[in-house]
Amino acid sequence: GNSVTQMEGPVTLSEEAFLTINCTYTATGYPSLFWYVQYPGEGLQLLLKATKADDKGSNKGFEATYRKETTSFHLEKGSVQVSDSAVYFCALRRAQGGSEKLVFGKGTKLTVNP
Amino acid sequence: GAGVSQSPRYKVAKRGQDVALRCDPISGHVSLFWYQQALGQGPEFLTYFQNEAQLDKSGLPSDRFFAERPEGSVSTLKIQRTQQEDSAVYLCASSGRDSIYEQYFGPGTRLTVT
Repeated sequence: GNSVTQMEGPVTLSEEAFLTINCTYTATGYPSLFWYVQYPGEGLQLLLKATKADDKGSNKGFEATYRKETTSFHLEKGSVQVSDSAVYFCALRRAQGGSEKLVFGKGTKLTVNP
Repeated sequence: GAGVSQSPRYKVAKRGQDVALRCDPISGHVSLFWYQQALGQGPEFLTYFQNEAQLDKSGLPSDRFFAERPEGSVSTLKIQRTQQEDSAVYLCASSGRDSIYEQYFGPGTRLTVT
């Protein structure tokens, strides 16, 4: 079945450090891939998405590239800020024609210290 | 505009009680999803509606869980004879025809079964 595996946290970084959160997936066909973020006390928000191979999603300085050959969608940011402290979830949605449900990874908690 | 709202935000139930959780999606959104998020885990799909039709209920963990959306707008997730393992945050999300790749999440209802 479809599944998402993301690196376990927690991850603690200093401000301006480089961030990578690994995400790999298992799915039939060509799923759409997403990163959601959950800030403390808030609901899940879509951070970025990619809908086909080699697409790069980007938002707020974060980037992730849909790599079909390695079934990966790693999240990166060149210089993190304290305000990026949150839990990050990688997710997939099956290829068109399937259920619209999202399949999530377990989440990675990021703490950025000043 | 208003986002997805859920009520109550917190619910404490004694084991064996029935509970009803409400979701108000974004106005005009045809798709509505329920997810269950256990502590420290990613959200897991429960069920999906398109308008009033329940198209996928494969994630409902037992026949104690029941969801409805009778008029294609507000949805209610009902859990009968609650058990301790039902303790979790229940998330509702909605999406519209013009944003089929993005699900907008509500703040969730935290259910604690004692």
